[in-house]
Amino acid sequence: AQSVTQLGSHVSVSEGALVLLRCNYSSSVPPYLFWYVQYPNQGLQLLLKYTTGATLVKGINGFEAEFKKSETSFHLTKPSAHMSDAAEYFCAVASSGGTSYGKLTFGQGTILTVHP
Amino acid sequence: DVKVTQSSRYLVKRTGEKVFLECVQDMDHENMFWYRQDPGLGLRLIYFSYDVKMKEKGDIPEGYSVSREKKERFSLILESASTNQTSMYLCASSYETRAIMTNEKLFFGSGTQLSVL
Repeated sequence: AQSVTQLGSHVSVSEGALVLLRCNYSSSVPPYLFWYVQYPNQGLQLLLKYTTGATLVKGINGFEAEFKKSETSFHLTKPSAHMSDAAEYFCAVASSGGTSYGKLTFGQGTILTVHP
Repeated sequence: DVKVTQSSRYLVKRTGEKVFLECVQDMDHENMFWYRQDPGLGLRLIYFSYDVKMKEKGDIPEGYSVSREKKERFSLILESASTNQTSMYLCASSYETRAIMTNEKLFFGSGTQLSVL
């Protein structure tokens, strides 16, 4: 079984400040890890994903995340927040073993608020 | 552009009604999923389908069933709606062969907000 825990249901930052959204996972096999973003009244969009290879992954809109196996973490960062980053962010894990059909287990979500 | 379309954005139903939520994808994807989204709980998988007429239970299948008669369409059925099924329902699809773990991303619809009164 696999699971995802996002620390902090709400994060608030000022425009231009560092964004850090925390995600820890548990998985019995090497995981595939994802961050999705959901803007108001929209479905989820993929920000970035880690499957294999380089542990620092760059995504869209200036976001990046680092896979740290020893810490079972996949935290999402952005050096400078923009007002348009306000949204809900979801961390997700998929199993690399067997055939998962792209089935993901999601975390609880973190709502990011950006203040002027 | 790829598209996953959910038939209704908002739906209001009464307790005990049979409810159909429809989802159509135009990407010839093999896999389709139904999630429900609740504040503080994130997304939880209800059912998924990896081929026409094939389905598997997700984490919270109780009170739901699904139908996939055609590759592009995946329906979620609430046999007898209850108030605890009031939620946002998200449909998603992905392409992934059985032989190769490509882990292509999921494509999501915009969601159906269902209220059961």
